[in-house]
Amino acid sequence: NAGVTQTPKFRVLKTGQSMTLLCAQDMNHEYMYWYRQDPGMGLRLIHYSVGEGTTAKGEVPDGYNVSRLKKQNFLLGLESAAPSQTSVYFCASRQTGTKSYEQYFGPGTRLTVT
Amino acid sequence: DAKTTQPPSMDCAEGRAANLPCNHSTISGNEYVYWYRQIHSQGPQYIIHGLKNNETNEMASLIITEDRKSSTLILPHATLRDTAVYYCIVRVGGNTNAGKSTFGDGTTLTVKP
Repeated sequence: NAGVTQTPKFRVLKTGQSMTLLCAQDMNHEYMYWYRQDPGMGLRLIHYSVGEGTTAKGEVPDGYNVSRLKKQNFLLGLESAAPSQTSVYFCASRQTGTKSYEQYFGPGTRLTVT
Repeated sequence: DAKTTQPPSMDCAEGRAANLPCNHSTISGNEYVYWYRQIHSQGPQYIIHGLKNNETNEMASLIITEDRKSSTLILPHATLRDTAVYYCIVRVGGNTNAGKSTFGDGTTLTVKP
């Protein structure tokens, strides 16, 4: 199993450009999450999904959109990038159930907006 | 989810045990204690979790006090590769709140030769 993969690994955008980050997981997890991490800080939740076709806002959703058209994929979009969105973006997935489960994280996408 | 408090940084000598504390005095009876770590530039990695009993796996041990208001993550023989930021998270198990976790600033553990 590849686990959680993210594409691309690095990207540089100019202010106002758009892009889509792809997260894919092969563990058949229902829950998926997008976080951002600014230098020296913890992770902050942007959006999440509890299943195919569903999305919900997290702590810092402004400026981002997401889609979950397929269970294994969770896309994060930036319609008009701003320098404040320079960050490292992590995707995670998690199993559902009545027990307590951990989140599995991808390797991250490093985005710079100039 | 209950709030957690961790020291911002700690040092440990290579080969010695690293004991990372976490305070979660407002924890509820159905909330678990999770630990993750993040090695430089990588995605966070799950380490261990527990409800009220002490837990041990191949990576670490988790000691939870009897009143559950604090816990300690123990790396029994720290190596240089254990240098990372360690996050203590408290959350309800199962599907409550969509399984979301709140990551604070964590403790930066530096293992020194």
